[in-house]
Amino acid sequence: NAGVTQTPKFQVLKTGQSMTLQCAQDMNHNSMYWYRQDPGMGLRLIYYSASEGTTDKGEVPNGYNVSRLNKREFSLRLESAAPSQTSVYFCASIIGTNYGYTFGSGTRLTVV
Amino acid sequence: GESVGLHLPTLSVQEGDNSIINCAYSNSASDYFIWYKQESGKGPQFIIDIRSNMDKRQGQRVTVLLNKTVKHLSLQIAATQPGDSAVYFCAEGGGSYIPTFGRGTSLIVHP
Repeated sequence: NAGVTQTPKFQVLKTGQSMTLQCAQDMNHNSMYWYRQDPGMGLRLIYYSASEGTTDKGEVPNGYNVSRLNKREFSLRLESAAPSQTSVYFCASIIGTNYGYTFGSGTRLTVV
Repeated sequence: GESVGLHLPTLSVQEGDNSIINCAYSNSASDYFIWYKQESGKGPQFIIDIRSNMDKRQGQRVTVLLNKTVKHLSLQIAATQPGDSAVYFCAEGGGSYIPTFGRGTSLIVHP
């Protein structure tokens, strides 16, 4: 049981490049989330998917898009990377309300 | 707006001591609280949770206390070990799909 798997673990992009961060969970969880974590800022929600077929904006959605491909997979896309998007990105999933998250191990993204 | 915050950004303790990490929340409607541990270079890991119908919950070496009157949450770690060194987050999951996270407290355990 792998839990939440994120790929890649590390990535360096040039300004203006695009990329997709992948996330998959094997726990049959309904809801999935993308967070970014910056020093001193804590975890900030980018987008979430409460259930398969739905996506909603979080606190900091600008510059990102998401796709809930199926119940297992939730991807995050940066269409035109900017240095301000340098961060550590975490995917998480949850079976339902009032349960704890399971987090992936993170993707460290640097935009130069 | 509602917020979840931590009183101390860094807590240093000696190995073997008990550690107490505090958290304040402002949403009086919150009914579910979670503590996470994040080790360097890793994702947050669920430690323990508590629902608002409880005041105390114990796990292995950890205890969470909830004081709804003053909207305060604490995590107690007994006999702290070097492996406990990490950042600890509290989160409020109040009936929505979107928990609110505090900024975290860094626990440093000195051997």
